[in-house]
Amino acid sequence: GESVGLHLPTLSVQEGDNSIINCAYSNSASDYFIWYKQESGKGPQFIIDIRSNMDKRQGQRVTVLLNKTVKHLSLQIAATQPGDSAVYFCAENQAGTALIFGKGTTLSVSS
Amino acid sequence: KAGVTQTPRYLIKTRGQQVTLSCSPISGHRSVSWYQQTPGQGLQFLFEYFSETQRNKGNFPGRFSGRQFSNSRSEMNVSTLELGDSALYLCASSLGSGDLKSPLHFGNGTRLTVT
Repeated sequence: GESVGLHLPTLSVQEGDNSIINCAYSNSASDYFIWYKQESGKGPQFIIDIRSNMDKRQGQRVTVLLNKTVKHLSLQIAATQPGDSAVYFCAENQAGTALIFGKGTTLSVSS
Repeated sequence: KAGVTQTPRYLIKTRGQQVTLSCSPISGHRSVSWYQQTPGQGLQFLFEYFSETQRNKGNFPGRFSGRQFSNSRSEMNVSTLELGDSALYLCASSLGSGDLKSPLHFGNGTRLTVT
């Protein structure tokens, strides 16, 4: 079946750097996308979402970019901090169906 | 506003037993979804309930079932437990009304270990 995937299982950055986490999706009918952060021992925490009628959306220190032509989603984290260390998941949804998650990227931030 | 609450946090069961997990959604949220999370398979969708009705179902055997009550609280049940059912079970709630897109908000999960 179709699923959401991530390009890299791990990403290591230095504190203060900008991080970019990528995600490829295969369902062209998906119209809603979400990024989640999961810390050890906790459930996934909502970061930011974007609808298919948008290309970019910004939050606090985070930006999500959506490229529907190549079915690519990315999460940019500005000035990465040690507290950003976690597993990041992208998820996609098509109207009337369940939210489907990618495998996750582990972000490690060293100070 | 209180978040999604799942009980218990940890469970140890023996093969062949059954288990019931509980979830209290965020106040005002009418949709509750359940996911199974394992290192090998990641987050896999089990089912979604909205206004006491199952609205979506994932690709899990009939041993996995759920229900939702009139106050939106939800339970899931796993019967005849197998070793492979060991996982983190996550509950998430959302407004979930009609075509309005709203994110899922997750609880911290119930860690089930089957021995």
